[in-house]
Amino acid sequence: AQSVAQPEDQVNVAEGNPLTVKCTYSVSGNPYLFWYVQYPNRGLQFLLKYITGDNLVKGSYGFEAEFNKSQTSFHLKKPTALVSDSALYFCAVRDRDDKIIFGKGTRLHILP
Amino acid sequence: DTEVTQTPKHLVMGMTNKKSLKCEQHMGHRAMYWYKQKAKKPPELMFVYSYEKLSINESVPSRFSPECPNSSLLNLHLHALQPEDSALYLCASSQDTLAADTQYFGPGTRLTVL
Repeated sequence: AQSVAQPEDQVNVAEGNPLTVKCTYSVSGNPYLFWYVQYPNRGLQFLLKYITGDNLVKGSYGFEAEFNKSQTSFHLKKPTALVSDSALYFCAVRDRDDKIIFGKGTRLHILP
Repeated sequence: DTEVTQTPKHLVMGMTNKKSLKCEQHMGHRAMYWYKQKAKKPPELMFVYSYEKLSINESVPSRFSPECPNSSLLNLHLHALQPEDSALYLCASSQDTLAADTQYFGPGTRLTVL
């Protein structure tokens, strides 16, 4: 069975500092990994995905994520945090043509 | 353009009412989805349509009835709902149902059942 874990309910980062939102996964086959962001009372916005190839994936709004097969992780990163990055972030995984599985979400607070 | 639109944005209904949620995409996507999301929780899959046919029903109560009139439109018909059905209902679409396909979400309909 496939699963995804986001170990932190909340992450606080000072504006201008680098940020990391953690995600680990478990699948039986090759993983397809996604990050989404959700602002209050809005739908999910796609940030980036890993399918195959380069382990460092670049996405929207300056975000990137690093796929680490040995650690089964797909952490979301950004070099310089902005207050406007404050939102709810979801990691998601699929390992076959099946439904996508979302993590519980991590609330990111960027402090001015 | 990766836009999925949903109407209405907000809906308040009584337990005896019948209402419908609408979703539209013009990206040529052949898979469309309904999700239910409670506050501060991840989305929960309800239904998947692939090539206008219902392919997945996640054991959703019959008071929710999906419909896919054509490849661009997806409806969710609501009848005799319960207060616990109050939630954000999200529509999404993707090129196909392949694992690598990105799902693009609409802004959602905030449903309140009184």
